[in-house]
Amino acid sequence: GEDVEQSLFLSVREGDSSVINCTYTDSSSTYLYWYKQEPGAGLQLLTYIFSNMDMKQDQRLTVLLNKKDKHLSLRIADTQTGDSAIYFCAENSGGSNYKLTFGKGTLLTVNP
Amino acid sequence: NAGVTQTPKFQVLKTGQSMTLQCAQDMNHNSMYWYRQDPGMGLRLIYYSASEGTTDKGEVPNGYNVSRLNKREFSLRLESAAPSQTSVYFCASTQPDSSYEQYFGPGTRLTVT
Repeated sequence: GEDVEQSLFLSVREGDSSVINCTYTDSSSTYLYWYKQEPGAGLQLLTYIFSNMDMKQDQRLTVLLNKKDKHLSLRIADTQTGDSAIYFCAENSGGSNYKLTFGKGTLLTVNP
Repeated sequence: NAGVTQTPKFQVLKTGQSMTLQCAQDMNHNSMYWYRQDPGMGLRLIYYSASEGTTDKGEVPNGYNVSRLNKREFSLRLESAAPSQTSVYFCASTQPDSSYEQYFGPGTRLTVT
């Protein structure tokens, strides 16, 4: 079955880069996503990458995909205190039900 | 556009009571989903509706029922609430002819005592 794994915690200093890692097991994944959840809020889509790409950049965010190792990462440049949140990795393996499988989330703490 | 809306935002129930969580989306999406979020467990899919008129079980359907009332609305019902159903419930929707990203509502925080 599908499984998505993430480390649970990451702590960085303001201004540093943050790298959040994710591994997945389903080799038929078509899209992979990063969501952000701030305290008391719903999930907000940050970015996604199609499985035939190996990198996507969007302002301070860089997504790297290593399809051979089934490894996805999210790099946040110049991390700010407002980036403190839980970050979820998710994958879509296609099919007619369009379900996503989520990791358990990584709590990013940005220290001033 | 309001996106995905959920009501209520907060609810406290006693064990054995019933309630319905409401979800609506104004993005004309075909597919809708109900998740629960518990500490350390991530998001787990309860039920989903791939299109209007269809519903299917997800990972943790026991104790819940759903209704896809029309294309816009997808409700989740707890017939006899149990303390194990204390959780935060999220509704989401997606348009299948896109990159399948799901859009989430703000959540309903439910406590069962």
